[in-house]
Amino acid sequence: AQSVTQLGSHVSVSEGALVLLRCNYSSSVPPYLFWYVQYPNQGLQLLLKYTTGATLVKGINGFEAEFKKSETSFHLTKPSAHMSDAAEYFCAVRPNNAGNMLTFGGGTRLMVKP
Amino acid sequence: DVKVTQSSRYLVKRTGEKVFLECVQDMDHENMFWYRQDPGLGLRLIYFSYDVKMKEKGDIPEGYSVSREKKERFSLILESASTNQTSMYLCASSPTSGGPTFYSTDTQYFGPGTRLTVL
Repeated sequence: AQSVTQLGSHVSVSEGALVLLRCNYSSSVPPYLFWYVQYPNQGLQLLLKYTTGATLVKGINGFEAEFKKSETSFHLTKPSAHMSDAAEYFCAVRPNNAGNMLTFGGGTRLMVKP
Repeated sequence: DVKVTQSSRYLVKRTGEKVFLECVQDMDHENMFWYRQDPGLGLRLIYFSYDVKMKEKGDIPEGYSVSREKKERFSLILESASTNQTSMYLCASSPTSGGPTFYSTDTQYFGPGTRLTVL
């Protein structure tokens, strides 16, 4: 069984500051890893995903994440926050050898101060 | 663009009512999912379907059932709604190259959600 922990249910940054959203997972087999974003009153949208290959993954809107197997982490970063980044972010994991079901973390709400 | 639509954005029902939540996708995806989203708990999978008339239980199937009579439509049914089923319900779909035991790297595409309140 796999699980996902997102440290910090709320994160607040100033506009232009670094964004760091943390995600740690546990999985009995190498996982596929995902970050989704949910803007207010909308469904989830894929930001980026790691399946195989390069461990640094670039996504939309300037976000990137690095898969660190030794730390079982997949933290999401963006060098400079924009007001439009305010949203809820979800990390998700799926074992790479079975099915299509995702396990989601509890979510982190990102607030961006002017 | 993939489009996943859900029949209602907001729904208010009374305890004991039978509730139908409908989801339609227009990209011929094999897989469809129903999640509920609660603050601090993220998304939890209720049911999953990988083909017409096929379904699998997710993490929290109790109190719910599903129906998939056509490939593009996946319905979530609350047989007798209860107040603890007040939540946001999200539908998603994804393509796959094989059956449920074949892994797929493809993305899940989400609908806008239905916020259900049970009084």
